[in-house]
Amino acid sequence: EAGVAQSPRYKIIEKRQSVAFWCNPISGHATLYWYQQILGQGPKLLIQFQNNGVVDDSQLPKDRFSAERLKGVDSTLKIQPAKLEDSAVYLCASSPPRGSRKLFFGSGTQLSVL
Amino acid sequence: KQEVTQIPAALSVPEGENLVLNCSFTDSAIYNLQWFRQDPGKGLTSLLLIQSSQREQTSGRLNASLDKSSGRSTLYIAASQPGDSATYLCAVRPVESNQFYFGTGTSLTVIP
Repeated sequence: EAGVAQSPRYKIIEKRQSVAFWCNPISGHATLYWYQQILGQGPKLLIQFQNNGVVDDSQLPKDRFSAERLKGVDSTLKIQPAKLEDSAVYLCASSPPRGSRKLFFGSGTQLSVL
Repeated sequence: KQEVTQIPAALSVPEGENLVLNCSFTDSAIYNLQWFRQDPGKGLTSLLLIQSSQREQTSGRLNASLDKSSGRSTLYIAASQPGDSATYLCAVRPVESNQFYFGTGTSLTVIP
């Protein structure tokens, strides 16, 4: 079974530039999550999708962050414009609709904003 | 709101030692609890998942226990190896939610 796919693996940008991250969850997983993890901290939920609808985006800085999940499959997270404090690992995860409801993560995107 | 705490924040042990990592949570109404391993700058790898009806789960040298009533879980690592060096995080999923609440992790270093 293929895992959660994320790209790019690394990204270095200057402040005020824009950046986009892509995620393809495990096939059949209706729930998709984007997390931000700052060094030394646990993952913080940015946005949660159920199919192509947003379940929770209360912690998403909507003035600069946006996310979409067209057709309820893959998803894109965008930052525009980036700030220094956005430097973090951005993690995508997915979870099946039934059964164990286990959480599966992608390899993450390490973002450095200079 | 569920709060998850992991103690200690960092741990350093000599190779071969058995060790215990702790995870505590404030609301006992959980659906499941999951332990993850994370290497620097990378994603999280699932180690063990314990459903709310279970008391423990084992995989190789790892054993995770769950005591819902006291709001605690432990991850036991037997005969530690340098390759076990990583950050270990626990995450709790409440009964009424599809969200997961994470601790800040325990950074483990196993010294050869």
